[in-house]
Amino acid sequence: EVQLLESGGGLVQPGGSLRLSCAASAFTFSTYAMSWVRQAPGKGLEWVSSISAFGDNTYYADSVKGRFTISRDNSKNTLYLQMNSLRAEDTAVYYCAQDRSRGPTGYFDYWGQGTLVTVSS
Amino acid sequence: QSALTQPASVSGSPGQSITISCTGTSSDVGGRYHYVSWYQQHPGKAPKLLIYDVTYRPSGVSNRFSGSKSGSTASLTISGLQSEDEADYYCSSYTASTTWVFGGGTQLTVL
Repeated sequence: EVQLLESGGGLVQPGGSLRLSCAASAFTFSTYAMSWVRQAPGKGLEWVSSISAFGDNTYYADSVKGRFTISRDNSKNTLYLQMNSLRAEDTAVYYCAQDRSRGPTGYFDYWGQGTLVTVSS
Repeated sequence: QSALTQPASVSGSPGQSITISCTGTSSDVGGRYHYVSWYQQHPGKAPKLLIYDVTYRPSGVSNRFSGSKSGSTASLTISGLQSEDEADYYCSSYTASTTWVFGGGTQLTVL
């Protein structure tokens, strides 16, 4: 069964950095686009970033562009999200999600359990 | 990248049908792409894909869930409401800016 396991969340001060990881298993990781979606406490879903299967195309929400970087290591079946210049409004559960296709479609068949990022002093 | 507009809440009785709307613009839902999807999320759980490409259901999703689109408004219809359908529902669309946007979410209550 497909598994996506996020890690790296935690408490960080405003202006700080954090790197999230998502370890994938039970599917051919290198043939699917991957994404990060976040959900602030008690709020709705927000698409954050996507990366194509080969990692040659990346996409970002305006709210994180220039601060966050998505990447992947297909040899390690792992997705990353480097988050810099963190703000209070970045506080959320961050989900890793598998797309249905090589190029992002926004159709997420599988999701991780999420990792909580809290930005606070 | 403004969120798509959904009603905050809808309700229905077991066995009834309900429809949740999702209104966007010509730059997303109403655009030339058909990348509109719907997700179901139970409290404390990860979302589940219900509908993709406006009308298609992934394998394993009940045929009680159906999707449609007219202009810049997409809709999710749930027929034969069951208690386990009580959850939050989100629409999503690809945009002309090569990004994706979710709706604000709709809380479904089964009376």
